[in-house]
Formats: sequence, C-alpha cells, structure tokens
Amino acid sequence: GAGVSQTPSNKVTEKGKYVELRCDPISGHTALYWYRQSLGQGPEFLIYFQGTGAADDSGLPNDRFFAVRPEGSVSTLKIQRTERGDSAVYLCASSQDWGAGELFFGEGSRLTVL
Amino acid sequence: ELKVEQNPLFLSMQEGKNYTIYCNYSTTSDRLYWYRQDPGKSLESLFVLLSNGAVKQEGRLMASLDTKARLSTLHITAAVHDLSATYFCAIYSGGGADGLTFGKGTHLIIQP
Repeated sequence: GAGVSQTPSNKVTEKGKYVELRCDPISGHTALYWYRQSLGQGPEFLIYFQGTGAADDSGLPNDRFFAVRPEGSVSTLKIQRTERGDSAVYLCASSQDWGAGELFFGEGSRLTVL
Repeated sequence: ELKVEQNPLFLSMQEGKNYTIYCNYSTTSDRLYWYRQDPGKSLESLFVLLSNGAVKQEGRLMASLDTKARLSTLHITAAVHDLSATYFCAIYSGGGADGLTFGKGTHLIIQP
C-alpha cells in the first residue's frame, strides 16, 4: 500500500482479555517499529524489527506484550491479560532500513481497556 | 536515562506572529526529527536533521540543530491557523537503543 496501515483503528476490550493489533508497513521497508502513545504524551518506543527478527524489544513494558513479524512484512502486536493501564494509541512505523532517515507512521490503533 | 525536553509544552499565538519551539536532549545524537500531529491523526514527518549546524526550511517552518548545545529549534514565521497542531521532536540515542525517544510535544494553537 501507499502508507503504513494499521488495524483495527479502534479496539475496546475488557480487562483480562487478549488483544492483537496488526501493522502492514510500506512495501519494501525492512525496518518496522511499534510505539505506544498515551494521552498528552509523546510516543514511547516498544519494539523494533529488522526483517523477521526483533532486533530491539527493550521498550516492551512487561511479558504480557509480545510482537511478531513472521515473514518480514506484516507485524502483529499481542497483549495478554490486558489491564486498564494498557489503554493508549499503538502506533506502527516503518522505514527503508534502520536509521535510514524518515520513519513513516500509521494512523494507529486506539486501545481502550474497560 | 535519555531525556528529550520541549519548551513550551503549550503555546497560543496569533496569526502573523513569529515564534520558536525549543528541543533539548540529554545525550549526544547526530540525528534529530521533527514531527507534526493533528488531533486524532498520526505523525507526519517534517524534518530530519543529520549534522551539527543543519538547517532545513519548509514553508513557514524552519528547523535547526546544534549538537554541541544538544539543542534543536523549530521556528515559525508569520504563523497561520493551518499550522495549529502538536509538534514533537525526537532523537536516536544510539548505544544499542534502536527506537526514537520523543519529547512530550508542543501543543500549538494559532488564533485568527
């Protein structure tokens, strides 16, 4: 596609449930990033993929969060046993390569945990 | 811990005025980004500054980078209402950390 695509755009779930958020990066971009943005704050880095492997997952807050990118393109962010504090906008970004200048962000998935 | 601080966090100004947003960071970096975010929307890349003394301009916006002072500025000239948005600066810190570290953003309102 022309840009980074994220689905769903909105997700409301109950505390304790499992959630998956999907990111489809720009075609040909090898680097993919997940960020989380809470209300009134800047995005916070979660995880970075170079190809299929998670090159840096130092931003994941705990082991309830996990992300995969099995074929080096689409990525899924998985959150187990959701908590109210997980409510945020989850942003995906891609670039041609790590540090290759511009990152292109998707519209985000707004997660609300009740 | 890497810190990126923006100043001011909130700014209300009138059309036609000039103003500067400041971005200070706490560690060495030679790569600084400015993004714009409209309410409910994603981040739009404005500038990528890659070296000390870099200056880039697009329309009424001009960004500069002073790596020695660990400071970047985003200058707005003769502001117009369409520039109302939240502006973020972000840097790569390196040292094995592959993600950008963002400031808290400057919420800019430009009134007619």
